[in-house]
Amino acid sequence: GQNIDQPTEMTATEGAIVQINCTYQTSGFNGLFWYQQHAGEAPTFLSYNVLDGLEEKGRFSSFLSRSKGYSYLLLKELQMKDSASYLCAVMDSNYQLIWGAGTKLIIKP
Amino acid sequence: DAMVIQNPRYQVTQFGKPVTLSCSQTLNHNVMYWYQQKSSQAPKLLFHYYDKDFNNEADTPDNFQSRRPNTSFCFLDIRSPGLGDAAMYLCATSRDGGAGANVLTFGAGSRLTVL
Repeated sequence: GQNIDQPTEMTATEGAIVQINCTYQTSGFNGLFWYQQHAGEAPTFLSYNVLDGLEEKGRFSSFLSRSKGYSYLLLKELQMKDSASYLCAVMDSNYQLIWGAGTKLIIKP
Repeated sequence: DAMVIQNPRYQVTQFGKPVTLSCSQTLNHNVMYWYQQKSSQAPKLLFHYYDKDFNNEADTPDNFQSRRPNTSFCFLDIRSPGLGDAAMYLCATSRDGGAGANVLTFGAGSRLTVL
């Protein structure tokens, strides 16, 4: 079966750095996405990786290793508004998105 | 602004009373999706349309149906809602469903409560 694993919950301090990991086992690979979802709201797109390496976008970076089936989302200079769930999703060989259950990130002052 | 709009945002219904949720988009995207998301769970794909080509996920219950009368609109019908159908229903669109950065744009969601 296809599976996406990410931690259920993480806590970090305002101003700090946090890394949210995602591991996947899917039938093929056509890219990995990270979405941010605030409580009770719709997911919004953060990043896309299809080749190995690091993609940087402001305070957020996303890393991919296809050989290890592994990605992480790195958030720097954390702000209270970063408190949200972060969803990892992989597009498989049939171009279907396989979603993780999300990591709830709690930011403390 | 181009966007995805869902109505209603909140829907309360009684057990077994049919419900219709709507979604409209001004992005002119080819693909429209309906997802069900329960608290702290991954979004679960119910249906998607590539243009007018309807795709039903294998494990979507028969209680759920969908219509896409034109490019801009899509509807989700729940014929006889049960307590287990209480969830957030998310509509999303994408330009196409193929390879590349196939980014989904989501609506704000419709939260369904079943009494």
